[in-house]
Amino acid sequence: GAGVSQSPSNKVTEKGKDVELRCDPISGHTALYWYRQSLGQGLEFLIYFQGNSAPDKSGLPSDRFSAERTGGSVSTLTIQRTQQEDSAVYLCASSLTGVKHEQYFGPGTRLTVT
Amino acid sequence: AQTVTQSQPEMSVQEAETVTLSCTYDTSENNYYLFWYKQPPSRQMILVIRQEAYKQQNATENRFSVNFQKAAKSFSLKISDSQLGDTAMYFCAFMKRGLNFGNEKLTFGTGTRLTIIP
Repeated sequence: GAGVSQSPSNKVTEKGKDVELRCDPISGHTALYWYRQSLGQGLEFLIYFQGNSAPDKSGLPSDRFSAERTGGSVSTLTIQRTQQEDSAVYLCASSLTGVKHEQYFGPGTRLTVT
Repeated sequence: AQTVTQSQPEMSVQEAETVTLSCTYDTSENNYYLFWYKQPPSRQMILVIRQEAYKQQNATENRFSVNFQKAAKSFSLKISDSQLGDTAMYFCAFMKRGLNFGNEKLTFGTGTRLTIIP
């Protein structure tokens, strides 16, 4: 079946603008995760959804970052008033709830803030 | 909090040779999972192999195997008969077992860039 998809693949934005990044998980996967990959910080967890609720949002770096998930499927990560330090690859992953715990990743969105 | 350490930023090996990537972790948890992910230049993270901490037997997947030493908190990846397509960044990752088998986040190491030389 189809894997995790993310859009856009690349996004260039000016400092101070808002951006929305989209993630379409694998059909039937109840858990969805956002991670950020940057040169300075490596791979960092941002937020986790179980269904439409977010039991763990401990990795969101500031209140400029927010995310939502609707219909237990698509998720949107929003960054308001972007800063240059937000430049990174944003990765989304999904998994089934249960014993396997394997997370399947999308191709990521490369965000560049100029 | 958990930490994952990969002490080899870069490695290279001749095609068809065997290579071992190191990973150590620190945790106070007793029930957890360990993973190796591969990230080729395409940026897509691909699961290579997983290990449950409660299993003593080392996981294997074709040419990939792990050496899991729970007491030493060590989890190395061995790639046998290496192929050009194995060239990628390799990340070691830790996940604690959630309540009622619930999902938890991954904590990643900093990665090892592996190059297979033809």
